Amino acid sequence: KNEVEQSPQNLTAQEGEFITINCSYSVGISALHWLQQHPGGGIVSLFMLSSGKKKHGRLIATINIQEKHSSLHITASHPRDSAVYICAHPGGSQGNLIFGKGTKLSVKP
Amino acid sequence: KAGVTQTPRYLIKTRGQQVTLSCSPISGHRSVSWYQQTPGQGLQFLFEYFSETQRNKGNFPGRFSGRQFSNSRSEMNVSTLELGDSALYLCASSRGDYQETQYFGPGTRLLVL
Repeated sequence: KNEVEQSPQNLTAQEGEFITINCSYSVGISALHWLQQHPGGGIVSLFMLSSGKKKHGRLIATINIQEKHSSLHITASHPRDSAVYICAHPGGSQGNLIFGKGTKLSVKP
Repeated sequence: KAGVTQTPRYLIKTRGQQVTLSCSPISGHRSVSWYQQTPGQGLQFLFEYFSETQRNKGNFPGRFSGRQFSNSRSEMNVSTLELGDSALYLCASSRGDYQETQYFGPGTRLLVL
């Protein structure tokens, strides 16, 4: 079964803390996406990666293809990072995205 | 470059009615995918259109349908609305390669009473 598991489901942090969100998947994949969804509903694509590590500002995404695991790290977290973070990968028969349930992050000032 | 736009942003319907949602992709993008997001099921893939053809379809009943026009704008239609169809409907566009980043619209929030 093609599943994407995220942990934790909910995360509360103090401003400045280092955040880690985990994503595990069950099948071999070609790429993994990390998405950010703010309370208004809009989704922004943060990263798409197929190996190693990518960095954008305070956000770092890593993936271990052999272990079928990816992590999203946020350094020096800020209240504006409060959002739902979703991982996804092309998993359908023709490449449609399959999504995790998301991790709701709340960063307190 | 303008982003993905969706209309309307909010919609209230009653059971049994039908609804049509619209999505305008980023200029030059030929692929439009539709997703349903509910608190219980999360994000689920509905279907994808590429160059006016449905290229991929998720596991939703036939009440959910879509189409794409020659300018890549896409519409989705839900007939005989049920309470469970209340959700945020998101579309996303890309140039068409499955390995590419998808750009999401702001979504249409549908409430079925």
